[in-house]
Amino acid sequence: EDKVVQSPLSLVVHEGDTVTLNCSYEVTNFRSLLWYKQEKKAPTFLFMLTSSGIEKKSGRLSSILDKKELSSILNITATQTGDSAIYLCAVLPQGAQKLVFGQGTRLTINP
Amino acid sequence: EPEVTQTPSHQVTQMGQEVILRCVPISNHLYFYWYRQILGQKVEFLVSFYNNEISEKSEIFDDQFSVERPDGSNFTLKIRSTKLEDSAMYFCASSDTPYGYTFGSGTRLTVV
Repeated sequence: EDKVVQSPLSLVVHEGDTVTLNCSYEVTNFRSLLWYKQEKKAPTFLFMLTSSGIEKKSGRLSSILDKKELSSILNITATQTGDSAIYLCAVLPQGAQKLVFGQGTRLTINP
Repeated sequence: EPEVTQTPSHQVTQMGQEVILRCVPISNHLYFYWYRQILGQKVEFLVSFYNNEISEKSEIFDDQFSVERPDGSNFTLKIRSTKLEDSAMYFCASSDTPYGYTFGSGTRLTVV
């Protein structure tokens, strides 16, 4: 069974800190890994990563896939209170249309 | 920016009743999905829909559930004879490729 595990489950830091969120996966045929930010309701798309290993960046957020370690990290630098959310990692297997989600990391940024 | 719209945002229903959750996907998208998230648990895949038929479904998506695209714009999830354990946030998503999801803001279903 395909599986995605995120760590830590919860993280509390101060504004301005840098955080690293982890995601590891076991999937029969890997196609891509996606990161989402979930604030109040809908998950909003952040990044999609493939086996190419190319780092993706958007402002203070960046993410990279380690295909050897079957994992990915999401980095957020100079955190702001608006970064407080649940960050979801999901894997899309090859030939499938369904995303397999991890349990999420709840990030809280204190002023 | 185009959005996926879901209605209602919150629905309370009695156990055993039928509910229909509605979604308006992004207009040029061809792939449609339903996911659910029970409080405190992972987001779980229910079903994907393409070319007017189900393309993939999970074990959760049993005979109690059905999906329909009744017209060119709406995509619905029907739950017949709701159970307490159906209480969850239900997310609709759409994409123009098999993997470029945009999620709606969800319908919180409470079965009492």
